[in-house]
Amino acid sequence: EVQLVESGGGLVQPGGSLRLSCAASGFTFSSYSMNWVRQAPGKGLEWVSYISSSSSTIYYADSVKGRFTISRDNAKNSLYLQMNSLRDEDTAVYYCARGSGILGYWGQGTLVTVSS
Amino acid sequence: EIVLTQSPATLSLSPGERATLSCRASQSVSSYLAWYQQKPGQAPRLLIYDASNRATGIPARFSGSGSGTDFTLTISSLEPEDFAVYYCQQRSNWPNTFGQGTKLEIK
Repeated sequence: EVQLVESGGGLVQPGGSLRLSCAASGFTFSSYSMNWVRQAPGKGLEWVSYISSSSSTIYYADSVKGRFTISRDNAKNSLYLQMNSLRDEDTAVYYCARGSGILGYWGQGTLVTVSS
Repeated sequence: EIVLTQSPATLSLSPGERATLSCRASQSVSSYLAWYQQKPGQAPRLLIYDASNRATGIPARFSGSGSGTDFTLTISSLEPEDFAVYYCQQRSNWPNTFGQGTKLEIK
């Protein structure tokens, strides 16, 4: 069974940093592209970042470019999102999702709250 | 960036009725469009990919159609568990983008 479990969310002050993790199991992690997608409270879905299976291709939404860094460790079956210079508008549930455009599996999400 | 516009924002129907949800793209996405269902407190679930292909385990009452800029998600006969928010998403161009969602509510 495919499982994606996010962790690392929490309360952080504006300008602060946070690192999210996504632990994958039930499939060959190194064979799949991965994504981060977020959802602000009461709002819709926003794609944040993509990383290919070998980390050779990476994309970011303009809203996070230069502040967020996606990475993965295929030996540890883990996906990461390093978030720096956090803003109020980064407050959201962050989901990791498997796939290259077609997001077939999602984790349950981790809440990031940016507030002073 | 490709903008996806979903309509209506809210759709009020009764169980057993047919639901038709629309997604329009600001430029052609070919057939690279997916639909997701999201219930409160849950992660989104993939329903349809590449415009008309049902994902694994999705009931046959869900169908997708369209190409280019205009797409439709149809639920042929609503079940109580179908009342949720539905999002379309394009993978034709980066950044991949989502529509703003259609809330399907019980009338």
